[in-house]
Amino acid sequence: GAVVSQHPSWVICKSGTSVKIECRSLDFQATTMFWYRQFPKQSLMLMATSNEGSKATYEQGVEKDKFLINHASLTLSTLTVTSAHPEDSSFYICSASWTGDYNEQFFGPGTRLTVL
Amino acid sequence: GQNIDQPTEMTATEGAIVQINCTYQTSGFNGLFWYQQHAGEAPTFLSYNVLDGLEEKGRFSSFLSRSKGYSYLLLKELQMKDSASYLCAPMDSNYQLIWGAGTKLIIKP
Repeated sequence: GAVVSQHPSWVICKSGTSVKIECRSLDFQATTMFWYRQFPKQSLMLMATSNEGSKATYEQGVEKDKFLINHASLTLSTLTVTSAHPEDSSFYICSASWTGDYNEQFFGPGTRLTVL
Repeated sequence: GQNIDQPTEMTATEGAIVQINCTYQTSGFNGLFWYQQHAGEAPTFLSYNVLDGLEEKGRFSSFLSRSKGYSYLLLKELQMKDSASYLCAPMDSNYQLIWGAGTKLIIKP
């Protein structure tokens, strides 16, 4: 149980375009979803936390207008990277949790974004 | 501030035992997680400690001392597939995980 999927697994796009990444909890209802970014050989960096039906809470330094997060239901959250640039190329990982089970975060497999 | 301290890299031999130490400072504490992360993949859950002591789970065990802000992950009977990064992630008072860069474990035959 507690499976989280992400789509797409990898994406290559041109500079200036927008990319949408989906995160789904397949077998549980996620009260909270998290979006992380990880550059090579660096730690996971939390970008934002979102609760179903409410606006996401962004970490300091993360541009909310550039990284649009929509948590439309208890099983789906999306991250849209708007006007992507090469420096946005990274590994984007979502995780989902629910209030039980000591708030464990279940991670999706990640999305590798390459902006040309 | 909040921070995690783990060795950057460790090397061990197949079949041996290795202990990865972690010291942490957080605003509040709601337990500590250990995750395994293979290169290019997302983290996978290994263990969770919220009370002091040792939690054993097959070849992997995790220890916590809250008063010392210290945890370790013990891996026994090492296998080549255990080559990965190991992330110590305490959870703060807001139930957010605090991440360090992790420890890269290299297993040699």
